Amino acid sequence: EAQVTQNPRYLITVTGKKLTVTCSQNMNHEYMSWYRQDPGLGLRQIYYSMNVEVTDKGDVPEGYKVSRKEKRNFPLILESPSPNQTSLYFCASSETSGGFREWQFFGPGTRLTVL
Amino acid sequence: AQKVTQAQTEISVVEKEDVTLDCVYETRDTTYYLFWYKQPPSGELVFLIRRNSFDEQNEISGRYSWNFQKSTSSFNFTITASQVVDSAVYFCALSEGSGGYNKLIFGAGTRLAVHP
Repeated sequence: EAQVTQNPRYLITVTGKKLTVTCSQNMNHEYMSWYRQDPGLGLRQIYYSMNVEVTDKGDVPEGYKVSRKEKRNFPLILESPSPNQTSLYFCASSETSGGFREWQFFGPGTRLTVL
Repeated sequence: AQKVTQAQTEISVVEKEDVTLDCVYETRDTTYYLFWYKQPPSGELVFLIRRNSFDEQNEISGRYSWNFQKSTSSFNFTITASQVVDSAVYFCALSEGSGGYNKLIFGAGTRLAVHP
């Protein structure tokens, strides 16, 4: 089954304690992206990756890092989490069709609370 | 600047009513794509439709239909004969060529509550 998986699904942590949210896709997609969802703001892009070792900032990258060492994995790293990073996080992957990204597949979401 | 506006924050209807969710977008690109996603209470995002800027034909899929009008920069979503299972948050999103289609710009979402 084609899918994007994220782990953990729920996480409560404390300020300053480094954490990683994993994202994996089994569709051999080149494009992957991270979004955060906040009430009244919809989803905003944090980082995206066009292929292995190719990543770039989205609209709200501050406080986050990513890596793309393998095509299937795109982890989101919070080196020193702060309460304003409390949010619902989504990973997405996409194939390219006719030059554009289809953005059809999203992970189940990770609800992060930073105390 | 690119922007997607979903002016309706919350809508409440009774089962079997028709309901339209509005989406207005702003872009300078001539080539772009518009999307709708559903987020049920369980929290995941479910892809509903993708439409490119050159295709203004309306689309119908079962009880769902979409009306794309470039003249008003709108991409509205109608649910006919709504059901309780339609209760969810619905997001409209835009992807532009100038951004390499690498980003989705989301509206704030419309929460639809369908009551029995």
